[in-house]
Amino acid sequence: QVQLQESGPGLVKPPETLSLTCTVSGGSIVTSNFYWGWIRQPAGKGLEWIATLHYTESAQYNPSLKSRVTISVDTSKNQFSLNVRSVTAADTAVYFCARLADGSWYSHIDSWGQGMLVTVSS
Amino acid sequence: EVVLTQSPDFQSVTPKERVTITCRASQYISNSLHWYQQKPGQSPKLLIKYASQPFSGAPSRFSGSGSGTHFTLTINSLEAEDAATYYCHQSSILPLTFGGGTKVEIK
Repeated sequence: QVQLQESGPGLVKPPETLSLTCTVSGGSIVTSNFYWGWIRQPAGKGLEWIATLHYTESAQYNPSLKSRVTISVDTSKNQFSLNVRSVTAADTAVYFCARLADGSWYSHIDSWGQGMLVTVSS
Repeated sequence: EVVLTQSPDFQSVTPKERVTITCRASQYISNSLHWYQQKPGQSPKLLIKYASQPFSGAPSRFSGSGSGTHFTLTINSLEAEDAATYYCHQSSILPLTFGGGTKVEIK
């Protein structure tokens, strides 16, 4: 059974870059059966899709964040990563990494990491 | 982008009652609508995919219906462990979007 685990700093100062890594275990990230993504959730609020990645490094981004976000993959480590540049307090949230099923950009999420709280504060 | 509007925002329900949550899409999304359950401090868990297909491991009391722009999640015979926030999610059109959530409280 696949497991996803987020890691990275829990505190980031504005306007620095937020960097998170998701380590995938129990399955290879090198597959066309699944895509890999990031979703975030501010405290007490709903879910916001950030980006989705294929292991070939092609990606799709939420237009609302596209100018500040980069998603990448390291197949040798079975990991994928998220960078959010020029962060503000509005980027404070729990960040989830996730697996998208169906081998498509247009898919539901069948597995989630436990989530990582990232606070943006000076 | 596709806006998903869930109703109600909050529901307080007695055990064994039936719960119905609605999700309306701002444009046609066929059956590309999925439902998740999220308990406090946990990540969401997939319950229903493609409007009506149960996901492996989801309790049978959860069911989904609908297509186009109107969708429903039904919990038959609510149990105490079903206290959670429920989200709908569409995958028909990028960007992927989620509903605002429906919090279900057990009386």
